[in-house]
This record gives sequence, C-alpha cells and structure tokens, in this order.
Amino acid sequence: EAEVAQSPRYKITEKSQAVAFWCDPISGHATLYWYRQILGQGPELLVQFQDESVVDDSQLPKDRFSAERLKGVDSTLKIQPAELGDSAMYLCASSLARTGHNTEAFFGQGTRLTVV
Amino acid sequence: AQRVTQPEKLLSVFKGAPVELKCNYSYSGSPELFWYVQYSRQRLQLLLRHISRESIKGFTADLNKGETSFHLKKPFAQEEDSAMYYCAPKSGTSYGKLTFGQGTILTVHP
Repeated sequence: EAEVAQSPRYKITEKSQAVAFWCDPISGHATLYWYRQILGQGPELLVQFQDESVVDDSQLPKDRFSAERLKGVDSTLKIQPAELGDSAMYLCASSLARTGHNTEAFFGQGTRLTVV
Repeated sequence: AQRVTQPEKLLSVFKGAPVELKCNYSYSGSPELFWYVQYSRQRLQLLLRHISRESIKGFTADLNKGETSFHLKKPFAQEEDSAMYYCAPKSGTSYGKLTFGQGTILTVHP
C-alpha cells in the first residue's frame, strides 16, 4: 500500500543551525501539505502545494522557513536558523485532488524536531 | 474568519456507553468536513467525511449547516476507539485548504 514517506523521523539540532525535512508523497498526488504540530495541539498548516506551485503559505514564517517542490513530486521544508520554539512534529500529507472526490489527505509518520 | 472548534480536550467514557465528540465550525462558502483519527503510535488517518454519509467503525457524523456543527457519534464505544480525534474542515476555495481543530482525546475505559 502506497504511503507518504518522510525523513528523518527524528532530528535534534542546536538553535541557530539550519535543518531540513524531506517528504515523498504518494505517487500521482498533486496536492502536498506541510503541517506543524506542537504537543497537545492540532496540526497547523504551514504551506500547501498544488503540483510545484505554492497555493497557501499564509502561516509560514517566511523569515526563517522555506519550502520547495521543484518537480511537483517530493518536497523539502527548511528552517534557518532554528529557534527553540520550532520544536514540534512536522507532518507532510498529500491528496490526489483538491476538490470533489479523492480529496482525502494521507499523512506521513512525521519528523520530530527538537531544538536545543 | 475561518474557525473550527472542538470544545472538549478530553473525553472519557466506559465501554458500551454512547460517545459524542463535538465540532463547530465557522466558514464561508460550503466547506467539506472530515474527521481524522490518530491511534497510539500510528499516523494520522481519515475516519470519515460528510459527503460519503457512511458509518466507519460504528461512527457517524451529521453535518448541521444551521448550527454549523459536525459532531461525531458512536452508540456503543469500544476500548479500541481510544485515540485522538480531529475535526477538519476543507474550505470550498479552488485549492481546498485543509485545517484541523485542536483535537479531542477519547479514552474508553473497560
């Protein structure tokens, strides 16, 4: 069964360092989401891609966060420099379609980031 | 502003009791409503969606547009239902932004 793959599963980094997360969505899924989930809270959307284009990054802290999906397939989320408050679970999800049917989002296992 | 509210952070019931997890939303247009669930040590996954009008694992959810609610219900809770549940509206905009509530931790006691 196809799954969304994320790496690494865990990452510990020192504050002010750069960190990157990678996501490989289910093959053929045009929509890709990056969420941040702080312990005890629901996932917060950081950025949404439709193919290679960003369609929503209103909640992305653009001074330190960047995301790309160059070929419309896999994606990278980067933080530079990392801050203590960035410690969280970073989730990637993908869906086949945006609207209508087949809009179910499939999630990866997430990357647990700890900034020390 | 678009908003989704799950008023109960924690919900505890005994096995066999009915359970209702509340979700209220404030969205313009016609959002699509989902419930996602996360069992211990598993990834977040879809439980059900309002357009399917189906029952999954005994759960149902009715969209009440007048009250802007999408409560999740099950008549007889089971221990394996213990999990974190998220209400998730998907906006009716062209790109379909998917947002999540704060979640409700359901614990079903034996």
